Amino acid sequence: EAGVAQSPRYKIIEKRQSVAFWCNPISGHATLYWYQQILGQGPKLLIQFQNNGVVDDSQLPKDRFSAERLKGVDSTLKIQPAKLEDSAVYLCASSLVGWGAFFGQGTRLTVV
Amino acid sequence: AQTVTQSQPEMSVQEAETVTLSCTYDTSENNYYLFWYKQPPSRQMILVIRQEAYKQQNATENRFSVNFQKAAKSFSLKISDSQLGDTAMYFCAFMRTNTGNQFYFGTGTSLTVIP
Repeated sequence: EAGVAQSPRYKIIEKRQSVAFWCNPISGHATLYWYQQILGQGPKLLIQFQNNGVVDDSQLPKDRFSAERLKGVDSTLKIQPAKLEDSAVYLCASSLVGWGAFFGQGTRLTVV
Repeated sequence: AQTVTQSQPEMSVQEAETVTLSCTYDTSENNYYLFWYKQPPSRQMILVIRQEAYKQQNATENRFSVNFQKAAKSFSLKISDSQLGDTAMYFCAFMRTNTGNQFYFGTGTSLTVIP
């Protein structure tokens, strides 16, 4: 079974530029999560989808972050414009009920 | 609101010894799931072990086992025969299921296995 795929693995951008991350969850997983993880901290949930509907986006900075899940499968997370404090690893995960979340390898974003 | 607390920011253990990582959580729900995740320096989050709240029997996975105390809302991870590859951040996580698989993580415990 293929795991959660994320791209790119690494990205370096200048502040005020825009960036997009892509995630392909495990086939059949209805729930998809995007997390932001700053070095030394635990993952912080940005947004959670159930199929193509949003379950929780209470911690998503909506003035600069946006996310969508096309047809309830792939998802993209966009940041526009980026700030220095957005430097972090962005983790995508998917899950089935009760089986935990399975994570991709993450995208390491550096904003300079 | 659900919260997950890991009170040990850092721990160390000698190779081949046993170590226990602590986790407590707060919830008013009766049915939920608990997990331990391992995050090595590569930053890949790896599921170590899961526990269903309605099961009294503690989960085990090879050298990893949990002590689940539902009344005390405690969920500790025991690693036996520690290996150098166990060096990583360990996150305790809570999943509620009645409102769509919402997931909550603790702040993590950094474990170092000393040769």
